[in-house]
Amino acid sequence: AQKVTQAQTEISVVEKEDVTLDCVYETRDTTYYLFWYKQPPSGELVFLIRRNSFDEQNEISGRYSWNFQKSTSSFNFTITASQVVDSAVYFCALSEYNQAGTALIFGKGTTLSVSS
Amino acid sequence: KAGVTQTPRYLIKTRGQQVTLSCSPISGHRSVSWYQQTPGQGLQFLFEYFSETQRNKGNFPGRFSGRQFSNSRSEMNVSTLELGDSALYLCASSLAGERRYEQYFGPGTRLTVT
Repeated sequence: AQKVTQAQTEISVVEKEDVTLDCVYETRDTTYYLFWYKQPPSGELVFLIRRNSFDEQNEISGRYSWNFQKSTSSFNFTITASQVVDSAVYFCALSEYNQAGTALIFGKGTTLSVSS
Repeated sequence: KAGVTQTPRYLIKTRGQQVTLSCSPISGHRSVSWYQQTPGQGLQFLFEYFSETQRNKGNFPGRFSGRQFSNSRSEMNVSTLELGDSALYLCASSLAGERRYEQYFGPGTRLTVT
């Protein structure tokens, strides 16, 4: 069965600290997609990244970077030099390719609090 | 380009009533998905529509239903509301083809059942 685990429920850091959010997934499929979404207090889920299972290259976008390791079924997200505006709930999600639609399976989320 | 819009943003209903929520996708997006978010269960997939057809359905009772119109706008309906239906209902839209896996979410409708 598909499952996404975000073991860290809450993380608190001080501005400028680096922080890594962990994500571990389970799937029977060989083709799948992984995602990270950010949910600020306003409630809207903001798409951050999509990674397919054949692309294990790490990705960097500004202060954000993602580390995908198929061997450990992990897709971790690092924020470098965190800022107060990064405070939000972050969700990791999985979508299997061989299914009728594109349903996302979400982890429970990690609440990140960045203080100044 | 305008994002996904959902109406209403907030709703209070009484147990036993029914409710209809509306979602307008991003222009050009033909797929619309609905999710329920609660503190206990987190984000759970309800259903997905593409070209007016339900393509996928989550594990929710039949009281939850939806539809999609020819302009890709979608509605979801919950009948015989229960207290446990209180949640944030999120709608997401996506393009067809390979990019259908990139779902863009609206601000949600917060439903409170009393």
